[in-house]
Amino acid sequence: DIVMTQSPDSLAVSLGERATINCKSSQSVLYSSNNKNYLAWYQQKPGQPPKLLIYWASTRESGVSDRLSGSGSGTDFTLTISSLQAEDVALYYCQQYYSTPRTFGQGTKVEIK
Amino acid sequence: EVQLVESGGGLVQPGGSLRLSCAGSGLSFRDHWMHWVRQAPGKGLVWVSYINSDGTTTRYADSVKGRFTVSIDNAKNTLYLQMNSLRAEDTAVYYCSRAADSGPFAVWGQGTVVTVSS
Repeated sequence: DIVMTQSPDSLAVSLGERATINCKSSQSVLYSSNNKNYLAWYQQKPGQPPKLLIYWASTRESGVSDRLSGSGSGTDFTLTISSLQAEDVALYYCQQYYSTPRTFGQGTKVEIK
Repeated sequence: EVQLVESGGGLVQPGGSLRLSCAGSGLSFRDHWMHWVRQAPGKGLVWVSYINSDGTTTRYADSVKGRFTVSIDNAKNTLYLQMNSLRAEDTAVYYCSRAADSGPFAVWGQGTVVTVSS
């Protein structure tokens, strides 16, 4: 199984400042035949289901703010919130869909400082 | 409106059974993979199972293999999860989700709560 490890577990950022979440996979999720990274990011707010934010490591889902961006390749990935807003307070999960079982990171809690 | 709606959760004793349903509206299951994901209280997301659109391929997490069975009824646009021999550690919110083929989980239901307790 591919183990996904996020860091940090939580972070507090001032409004308008940058928030950065890291995700590391135990093996590469880059599929060489199409050069795509099978890595997604989700946001989950209390009492709500997860919401897809980013897929293929860097493609923003329709309707997602352009303040959110994904980067990375192979085993190391980053989700960046360029200017934190109150509505960004949530849990964030990375997930690999390269192989079964699909696995998620343990989650990163983002709060306002 | 595109939505998935889960039902069938509840309180069950250890060793008991439940069948969860996930009804889709405004979307089709055809040409998509349907997944079940669970989240224990205060914990993270854990993938449980998936099924392809014609029901010919299924996969399960090791923790539920042999106890849970996923199925699909495309005529009713409904996904199911039959859960047998339930344990306390199966207590969680169960979400269904639709993925484009082997892609990310783009559409999620609101979840249904399963509590296994005596």
